[in-house]
Amino acid sequence: GAVVSQHPSRVICKSGTSVKIECRSLDFQATTMFWYRQFPKQSLMLMATSNEGSKATYEQGVEKDKFLINHASLTLSTLTVTSAHPEDSSFYICSAPSPQRAGETQYFGPGTRLLVL
Amino acid sequence: GENVEQHPSTLSVQEGDSAVIKCTYSDSASNYFPWYKQELGKGPQLIIDIRSNVGEKKDQRIAVTLNKTAKHFSLHITETQPEDSAVYFCAASKPSGTYKYIFGTGTRLKVLA
Repeated sequence: GAVVSQHPSRVICKSGTSVKIECRSLDFQATTMFWYRQFPKQSLMLMATSNEGSKATYEQGVEKDKFLINHASLTLSTLTVTSAHPEDSSFYICSAPSPQRAGETQYFGPGTRLLVL
Repeated sequence: GENVEQHPSTLSVQEGDSAVIKCTYSDSASNYFPWYKQELGKGPQLIIDIRSNVGEKKDQRIAVTLNKTAKHFSLHITETQPEDSAVYFCAASKPSGTYKYIFGTGTRLKVLA
């Protein structure tokens, strides 16, 4: 299947700092990518849809000024958690639709574990 | 909006036995139903999927069945092995341009050796 990478795999930061997470599609182009957040022992919650060349679409309840998304190219989307606080500590996962499967199938990155102290 | 319920939340089976996980969706417009396996600290991996024009799909020890009328779909794993131990998520999506997924709550499967 298609490969999606994320960087970094884990990050620890102090409260009030900003953290950038990268999501890359390695062997295909993705005009759309998705960002999810997963708390321990819970399901994946969609945060936003990242659109290449246009603004991201945020799900209800997700603060767009806090979670900045930039889809800089057809293979890269970034999520920046601004002024991070301990409650933002979570597992952040991105995904991209496979071009070979009519966009239905999403391939997920390995995730980024964020710990805010 | 769409809601996906998943049961059971935890499941323990003896190695070699079968495991069944069930999901129910609410939006009749949903037409694509993937299943993902997530190991600890990793991203979800697609294991099988089914579209609404198909009632059953099988891939070796894994099968998925879909009942559109009842809005149920199930994952069946036969001859379970310890390496099948993980959290399994079902999801539903519909053709709304971007195929957003609504995930079930997850099932923690433990295969006992």
